[in-house]
Amino acid sequence: GAGVSQSPRYKVAKRGQDVALRCDPISGHVSLFWYQQALGQGPEFLTYFQNEAQLDKSGLPSDRFFAERPEGSVSTLKIQRTQQEDSAVYLCASSLDRDQPQHFGDGTRLSIL
Amino acid sequence: AQSVTQLGSHVSVSEGALVLLRCNYSSSVPPYLFWYVQYPNQGLQLLLKYTTGATLVKGINGFEAEFKKSETSFHLTKPSAHMSDAAEYFCAVIFGNEKLTFGTGTRLTIIP
Repeated sequence: GAGVSQSPRYKVAKRGQDVALRCDPISGHVSLFWYQQALGQGPEFLTYFQNEAQLDKSGLPSDRFFAERPEGSVSTLKIQRTQQEDSAVYLCASSLDRDQPQHFGDGTRLSIL
Repeated sequence: AQSVTQLGSHVSVSEGALVLLRCNYSSSVPPYLFWYVQYPNQGLQLLLKYTTGATLVKGINGFEAEFKKSETSFHLTKPSAHMSDAAEYFCAVIFGNEKLTFGTGTRLTIIP
């Protein structure tokens, strides 16, 4: 597709379960970003990849959060032992390079019960 | 500390009236500045950006913004509001690295 694709669009999980969120960036985009958007707030940075290299993970809130992009294209954000405070919309963005405008997917809305 | 401030979490304007959404930032390095719009249950769409060059930037849907270094501001304007402009607007800044720092957003309501 032409845009950034995220799946699933909605995910409901019980507290303590593991979840995996997928991001398909725009073809050819080198940079990939994950953001977390809590209800009524602006997105907050989680992590950044340049190709397959994770260059910045300073925004990951705990060691329960893990992201990978093994072949420099599709990325997965994994959250282990989910907590209620993990409930948020998780946005993925990609760009041609680090200083180019970021294009966002529609997000995955995660609800932890 | 580097930060982005959007004054007014909610702004209401009449259809056809001027739209003004405020954004200020604090930074010791020249920033890259962006405005994004978010419609319900959707991701963010880029309206416009400032990196270098002309300080008055024109974007999509008739929006424009002016970078004022002396005021550390990047306010978003549109001369005449349309019903379809109702959405959440986010100012975002890149402070010398690649990640976006967002403001808390302004919800724009258009009064018929």
